[in-house]
Amino acid sequence: SQTIHQWPATLVQPVGSPLSLECTVEGTSNPNLYWYRQAAGRGLQLLFYSVGIGQISSEVPQNLSASRPQDRQFILSSKKLLLSDSGFYLCAWRFRLGTSGSYEQYFGPGTRLTVT
Amino acid sequence: RKEVEQDPGPFNVPEGATVAFNCTYSNSASQSFFWYRQDCRKEPKLLMSVYSSGNEDGRFTAQLNRASQYISLLIRDSKLSDSATYLCVVNSLNFNKFYFGSGTKLNVKP
Repeated sequence: SQTIHQWPATLVQPVGSPLSLECTVEGTSNPNLYWYRQAAGRGLQLLFYSVGIGQISSEVPQNLSASRPQDRQFILSSKKLLLSDSGFYLCAWRFRLGTSGSYEQYFGPGTRLTVT
Repeated sequence: RKEVEQDPGPFNVPEGATVAFNCTYSNSASQSFFWYRQDCRKEPKLLMSVYSSGNEDGRFTAQLNRASQYISLLIRDSKLSDSATYLCVVNSLNFNKFYFGSGTKLNVKP
């Protein structure tokens, strides 16, 4: 079965410090991978998605970047964090439903980031 | 215009009540639809996919109305454990992106 891991679970970082969040998927190959952010009391905002190694689509201009160095690894980074980067960061992968041509999305446990 | 819109609620209902949520989507060519449940400070979890003919899973029934571009979720015999935020989700045409509504909060009271 497929599982998705994220770490760390929680993180407190000062403004201006760098960030690296990691997401890995097991039990599947060449998945679409996604990074979302959820600010307190708000909906999910798609930040990046990747359809393969080295292929990153950015959805929102900001001081974050993403990389996919391996098939099942997706990394979210920042060189200098802002207060507004605080939030719940969720990694997700896309699962194909048999031969129907339809897909479902499953999330990792998330990283709760507080920028102070 | 947002891709997916939901009433944020909260819906406050007593145990045993029936409650229904709707959400509307903007792209008439959308093909895949879902309801997710998100508990406080947790990741969203897939509750059910929504099929054209409608589908039921225990106390939960999902319906799709393509003509009016809305999706509904009906919860019968509400339990305290149903208290959560329910997210409506629509897939993009190429299935690469998933558009999330901002969620409807449900509080089931004893």
